[in-house]
Amino acid sequence: ETGVTQTPRHLVMGMTNKKSLKCEQHLGHNAMYWYKQSAKKPLELMFVYSLEERVENNSVPSRFSPECPNSSHLFLHLHTLQPEDSALYLCASSQDVRGPGHGNIQYFGAGTRLSVL
Amino acid sequence: GNSVTQMEGPVTLSEEAFLTINCTYTATGYPSLFWYVQYPGEGLQLLLKATKADDKGSNKGFEATYRKETTSFHLEKGSVQVSDSAVYFCALNTNAGKSTFGDGTTLTVKP
Repeated sequence: ETGVTQTPRHLVMGMTNKKSLKCEQHLGHNAMYWYKQSAKKPLELMFVYSLEERVENNSVPSRFSPECPNSSHLFLHLHTLQPEDSALYLCASSQDVRGPGHGNIQYFGAGTRLSVL
Repeated sequence: GNSVTQMEGPVTLSEEAFLTINCTYTATGYPSLFWYVQYPGEGLQLLLKATKADDKGSNKGFEATYRKETTSFHLEKGSVQVSDSAVYFCALNTNAGKSTFGDGTTLTVKP
């Protein structure tokens, strides 16, 4: 148990569906992240939030819409996805986005395995 | 920009063999360096870290030394077990807040 909980663990959706992924951290961290992990591809950073403000958006298609209502919760809203969006979506948190002293260790959830049909 | 290059996998070893997974980096300034491990069906978890040159991170029998002169952070373990089978990621973080991960190296240990 890393202190970062993601739900659901598995999700199957059609291309016309709308769904949301949820991430909750119980570590008192200020920064939260969404990553996409596809088979045979590097880990892709999608979004970064610091104190509920989005600080990074790495050219992610608009069919992915993040929301950070408070520093403990992060959502990824999905709509009209494509089959190539099927992947493991990982949420992570860290004390701060910038962490020179403690090295900004990221704590990851177990991920949501998404399949788009 | 920053980058992390790690040894391509997959790596297959017999139990009790010696493990080395190479990692080199490019970064401005003085990054912190990490090894994360991902077991099947799970997210990444921190294995060990080093925050300055010549630091050695260690955990669960794994070690890595921050070598600034060779910009490397190679992961080693003297005797691997079947339970070490996982994907290993080398990563760096700079004071500017950017985290960069390597592509991951899959390790399979056979009994």
